[in-house]
Amino acid sequence: DAGVTQSPTHLIKTRGQQVTLRCSPKSGHDTVSWYQQALGQGPQFIFQYYEEEERQRGNFPDRFSGHQFPNYSSELNVNALLLGDSALYLCASSGSTSGNYEQFFGPGTRLTVL
Amino acid sequence: QQQVKQSPQSLIVQKGGISIINCAYENTAFDYFPWYQQFPGKGPALLIAIRPDVSEKKEGRFTISFNKSAKQFSLHIMDSQPGDSATYFCAASNQGGSEKLVFGKGMKLTVNP
Repeated sequence: DAGVTQSPTHLIKTRGQQVTLRCSPKSGHDTVSWYQQALGQGPQFIFQYYEEEERQRGNFPDRFSGHQFPNYSSELNVNALLLGDSALYLCASSGSTSGNYEQFFGPGTRLTVL
Repeated sequence: QQQVKQSPQSLIVQKGGISIINCAYENTAFDYFPWYQQFPGKGPALLIAIRPDVSEKKEGRFTISFNKSAKQFSLHIMDSQPGDSATYFCAASNQGGSEKLVFGKGMKLTVNP
């Protein structure tokens, strides 16, 4: 049973560029959450997708947007990149049908903005 | 506003010792409290979680103690091993964990052989 997968593993961009990160949830999971983890800090919630809709959003500017596809996979898009967007971006999936909402994390995408 | 406060920031213990990490929360609506372990370059891995209807939960060498009135919970790692050396995060969530996780800042544990 494959866990949560994310791509790419690493990414280097320059200021002002746009980036798309991808996530495939754990088998049987229908909810995807995205988190940003700066070096030496705990993950910060960006947003959560369920049934292809953004269900909850953290304190991030609208440069951060996302999408969930019918197969439950998800994308995180960041426009007009800033140096401060350099971080590990984590995707977590959970399932709503079992009533157990444990969130399982992927390995993350390391984004470096130069 | 930091809703989950974690302490200490770092801890060094000898092999076989007990590691204790403490967390305090502010939002009384939180009803799900997981602990995650993270190794360098990896995503956080769920270790153990507790809900407020119990005061303690044990899984192997890991035990969560929960004090609802004090709004505090802690992770105890018994018989600590060098392989336990990692960063540990406490977190909290509403609606049984279906909503966003609010994380503490993490604690780096080093277990010396």
